Amino acid sequence: DAGVTQSPTHLIKTRGQQVTLRCSPKSGHDTVSWYQQALGQGPQFIFQYYEEEERQRGNFPDRFSGHQFPNYSSELNVNALLLGDSALYLCASSFLDNTYPMNTEAFFGQGTRLTVV
Amino acid sequence: GEDVEQSLFLSVREGDSSVINCTYTDSSSTYLYWYKQEPGAGLQLLTYIFSNMDMKQDQRLTVLLNKKDKHLSLRIADTQTGDSAIYFCAESLMNRDDKIIFGKGTRLHILP
Repeated sequence: DAGVTQSPTHLIKTRGQQVTLRCSPKSGHDTVSWYQQALGQGPQFIFQYYEEEERQRGNFPDRFSGHQFPNYSSELNVNALLLGDSALYLCASSFLDNTYPMNTEAFFGQGTRLTVV
Repeated sequence: GEDVEQSLFLSVREGDSSVINCTYTDSSSTYLYWYKQEPGAGLQLLTYIFSNMDMKQDQRLTVLLNKKDKHLSLRIADTQTGDSAIYFCAESLMNRDDKIIFGKGTRLHILP
C-alpha cells in the first residue's frame, strides 16, 4: 500500500500565477482533506472532500478551490498566488464509516512544498 | 472556540523522559492526537486518545488526558536521538464533518 501520495513534491511559482496540487488517497479511503502548513506553524485546515463535494471549509479565501474525482483522488487549486501562499501543503485521507458515522484515522502524505516568488 | 496551545521548544538528555504538554479549548473534541514531523517530512500519527479516556500507553509513549483542565501530555520514555522532531498536539470531533485542529508544534531537541 503506497499510502497517501502527493505530487509534485516541490514547486516554485511566481506571484499572480495559478497552481494545481494533486493527491491520491490511501487505498480504501474515500475522504480527502487539505491542510496548509506555513513555516514554523501547525497545519491549518483548508477544506475536505467526500463524494466529489466540498464538505467542510476552513478560513481560506475563494482563491483556494478543489476537486475530487470518482477514484477519490483530489486536486487543490490556488489562483492569483501571493507570497504568503508559500507553504507546505498536506493532503490527508480517511474513510467515512457510515456505521457511526465517523471518519477513521487520517493518514497524511509527505506534502508539496510551494514557494511563491 | 477552537485553539490548541503547546510550548515551542523542549530540550531533553538522551535516555531521559520527555514530556510535551498541550492545552485545548474545544470541550466537545472527541479525539486528541499527537503527530510527529521530522525535517522535510509529512505528519506521522504517533498516538491518539478518545476524550472519555484518561491515559493511553503504547510502548515508550504515554498519553495523559485531564479533560477537566483540557490538558493533554505526551511522555516519551528513554528518549533517543531518533525522537528529535516537531510534535504536534491536535484535536478533532471525528464526526462526519471532522477537521483536525493543530497546535503550532513543540520542537524536541535531544542533548547527548
